[in-house]
Amino acid sequence: EAGVAQSPRYKIIEKRQSVAFWCNPISGHATLYWYQQILGQGPKLLIQFQNNGVVDDSQLPKDRFSAERLKGVDSTLKIQPAKLEDSAVYLCASSSGTGDLNGYTFGSGTRLTVV
Amino acid sequence: GQQLNQSPQSMFIQEGEDVSMNCTSSSIFNTWLWYKQDPGEGPVLLIALYKAGELTSNGRLTAQFGITRKDSFLNISASIPSDVGIYFCAAMNYGGSQGNLIFGKGTKLSVKP
Repeated sequence: EAGVAQSPRYKIIEKRQSVAFWCNPISGHATLYWYQQILGQGPKLLIQFQNNGVVDDSQLPKDRFSAERLKGVDSTLKIQPAKLEDSAVYLCASSSGTGDLNGYTFGSGTRLTVV
Repeated sequence: GQQLNQSPQSMFIQEGEDVSMNCTSSSIFNTWLWYKQDPGEGPVLLIALYKAGELTSNGRLTAQFGITRKDSFLNISASIPSDVGIYFCAAMNYGGSQGNLIFGKGTKLSVKP
């Protein structure tokens, strides 16, 4: 079974530029999550989708961050404009939503450096 | 907001030694999980705990869900070099659809051969 695919693996941008990350979840997984992991910290949820609808975006900085999952499959997360403090690894995860947490799988992440 | 206090922050041990790490919270959760993260990779689930008092093993790993539902611990027995990595506790309260995971800050484990 293919895992959660994310791209790019690395991105370096200057502050005030925009950037987008892409995630393709495990086939059939209805629920998709974006997490932000700052160096030395655990991941923090930014947004949760159930199919193409947003379930929880309470921790998403909506003035600069946006995310979509238009067809209920893959998803993009955008930052515009980026700030230095956005430097982090952005992890995508997916799950079936049926209660089997063994299927709650993370991708390898995109490491963003804002200079 | 809800947060998990994980300790120790780092550990340096000799191969073959046992390891113990724990996680506490002021909030109650109905699920506790332990993950391992290798450099450049996402967290990988080691053990999931669903009932207060539950003790679960996965090979050399044993984890327990505290009776109060506010804590959990992870033990690794007879450590080997490939146990090196960062271990995270995580907790959630999931209902009809799975909720978000709240993570601790991690325990960095180093194993000396």
